[in-house]
Amino acid sequence: RKEVEQDPGPFNVPEGATVAFNCTYSNSASQSFFWYRQDCRKEPKLLMSVYSSGNEDGRFTAQLNRASQYISLLIRDSKLSDSATYLCVVNWPTGNQFYFGTGTSLTVIP
Amino acid sequence: DGGITQSPKYLFRKEGQNVTLSCEQNLNHDAMYWYRQDPGQGLRLIYYSQIVNDFQKGDIAEGYSVSREKKESFPLTVTSAQKNPTAFYLCASSIAPPARQGAGETQYFGPGTRLLVL
Repeated sequence: RKEVEQDPGPFNVPEGATVAFNCTYSNSASQSFFWYRQDCRKEPKLLMSVYSSGNEDGRFTAQLNRASQYISLLIRDSKLSDSATYLCVVNWPTGNQFYFGTGTSLTVIP
Repeated sequence: DGGITQSPKYLFRKEGQNVTLSCEQNLNHDAMYWYRQDPGQGLRLIYYSQIVNDFQKGDIAEGYSVSREKKESFPLTVTSAQKNPTAFYLCASSIAPPARQGAGETQYFGPGTRLLVL
């Protein structure tokens, strides 16, 4: 089983739509979870951390389900500027590193 | 401005040549990382360093070498032993390594170097 798995998509959605991405992880000892955004040919940038109680930042909501070992990202009222690849990242305390999903591609269509 | 810089933006390597990618940070972070990204794949860890004069192999260290003589700097050398070096190389740093982090502490990336083989 891969350490972190994401549906690669692509997700093509109209402007204003709501879209959700899921990510599963295999290490139950992981403590920190993040969503990054990566634009084409650019470096990943932190979108938001994911906390146990769930957290919201404007149109973005992240949730963690420790029992099922997955995290999710919900984007409401999609904008054209949301088009990017979204990476799920999980820390790996035992190996002292982070693991990245392959990313989920989102295209918001006018 | 605090941040991570990488140079060059593009690098061309000839067969049998060693090349070195630069990574500098002024965030006063202890931990630094080198990743490789290939099209359609996630980031894979090459090497990481928890502190000055210490570094550890990641999942794909073969054909690469690093040094950490200064806190701010973590250069990566792609040696001639790396047979498929064409990729996007990303350097990152974090306040502390994952094993010593508090919840929510994450890593920040430089702009990357694209390495192409001639």
